[in-house]
Amino acid sequence: TQLLEQSPQFLSIQEGENLTVYCNSSSVFSSLQWYRQEPGEGPVLLVTVVTGGEVKKLKRLTFQFGDARKDSSLHITAAQPGDTGLYLCAGGNAGGTSYGKLTFGQGTILTVHP
Amino acid sequence: EAQVTQNPRYLITVTGKKLTVTCSQNMNHEYMSWYRQDPGLGLRQIYYSMNVEVTDKGDVPEGYKVSRKEKRNFPLILESPSPNQTSLYFCASSFAGGYGYTFGSGTRLTVV
Repeated sequence: TQLLEQSPQFLSIQEGENLTVYCNSSSVFSSLQWYRQEPGEGPVLLVTVVTGGEVKKLKRLTFQFGDARKDSSLHITAAQPGDTGLYLCAGGNAGGTSYGKLTFGQGTILTVHP
Repeated sequence: EAQVTQNPRYLITVTGKKLTVTCSQNMNHEYMSWYRQDPGLGLRQIYYSMNVEVTDKGDVPEGYKVSRKEKRNFPLILESPSPNQTSLYFCASSFAGGYGYTFGSGTRLTVV
């Protein structure tokens, strides 16, 4: 069974601060995805990274895939109250017997105070 | 609008009464999947489908059935629901397995 350890579980910060969320596994994934989920709604895809060492930027959000494709991080610069939500990482398999399988981390609840 | 539609959004039922949660996508995606989300346990994959008539078990398939007779539809069937299946359920679809999924809005199921 593949596992993804996401940390921290909770993050409470002031507007303007920077933060990083980590996602680690002992397994290699074909892709690492990051989602954001609002209460009562389904997760919304933010980004997919597929190449070891890949870095993607989405405005103030920077996503990185580890060289060995076992870990990833999400960095938010100058957080805003609108960034508040549940952030989820998910590891995808695009080959072998687990093709199509997606494993989620436990999630990080981020609260940004004005 | 590209979307995944689940119905119903809320459902309260009694133990043992068969139910079906429907899921439909309009993006011509090959891959579809069902998840349940529980506090402290996160999102866990129940079943996934790579194409019509091709399905496979996820991490928590016990007590659930699925079928994929058409590309756009992927219903989740609970033949004999039990209280431990009370949860928030999500259907999702993707153009390629292991990559980004589009999720539905969820179905909150309560089994009493």
